[in-house]
Amino acid sequence: DTGVSQDPRHKITKRGQNVTFRCDPISEHNRLYWYRQTLGQGPEFLTYFQNEAQLEKSRLLSDRFSAERPKGSFSTLEIQRTEQGDSAMYLCASSGDRDTGSPLHFGNGTRLTVT
Amino acid sequence: GQQLNQSPQSMFIQEGEDVSMNCTSSSIFNTWLWYKQDPGEGPVLLIALYKAGELTSNGRLTAQFGITRKDSFLNISASIPSDVGIYFCAGRDFGNEKLTFGTGTRLTIIP
Repeated sequence: DTGVSQDPRHKITKRGQNVTFRCDPISEHNRLYWYRQTLGQGPEFLTYFQNEAQLEKSRLLSDRFSAERPKGSFSTLEIQRTEQGDSAMYLCASSGDRDTGSPLHFGNGTRLTVT
Repeated sequence: GQQLNQSPQSMFIQEGEDVSMNCTSSSIFNTWLWYKQDPGEGPVLLIALYKAGELTSNGRLTAQFGITRKDSFLNISASIPSDVGIYFCAGRDFGNEKLTFGTGTRLTIIP
C-alpha cells in the first residue's frame, strides 16, 4: 500500500495524559499536513511541513500541540496534557510539488478520545 | 475556523437518480477539490480543479470550477449504493498551503 499511513487508528486516553500520533506520507511527497476533524464538520487545518521545515501553523494549534518531521519523511503530532476538547479525528495528508498541482491525499486518521 | 458553505446539507435519493451539490466561498480560490469520506476513514480525493470554468469528469462524477472562482459544483449521475457517504468540497488560494473545507453533504440512498 503506497498511501498515507497513520498510527494508531484509535487512541483512548485520560485527561491530562500526553499522546503521540505518527504519520507516514506517500514516499515521493515532500509536503505533509495535519488536520483535525470533529463530528459533523469538515477537516480543519492544523499545520504544514515542506520537507523537514514546519512552515505554517494554525491558531487552532495551541502550545500543548507540537508537530515534528525530523528527516523530512514521517511526522509525529504530540498533544500534551490532553483535554476533553481534544477528542477528534486527527488526519494527516501529503502532497507533491504544488507547482504541478498535486492535490492532498489523506490517511485514515487517528481517532482520539479523551475521557 | 472558516468553513465553506456547502449545500444541501443532506440528500435522500433513490438508486439511479442523479445528484447535484455545490459549494460557495466568500473569497476566491485557485484550486477546488472534491473528496468523499466514509465512516471511520479519511477523505478520498474524487476530482481536482485548477482553472476557472474547468469542467472535469471522473466516471459518473463531474465537477466544475465556477467562473467567479468562488464556487464549485459536483454532479453524480445514476447513483449506486456505494455512492453513500459524506462529500466535502475544499478550496485553496494562491500562496496559501491551507485547504479550507466545506461543511459536507451527506448522501443517503433510500432502498
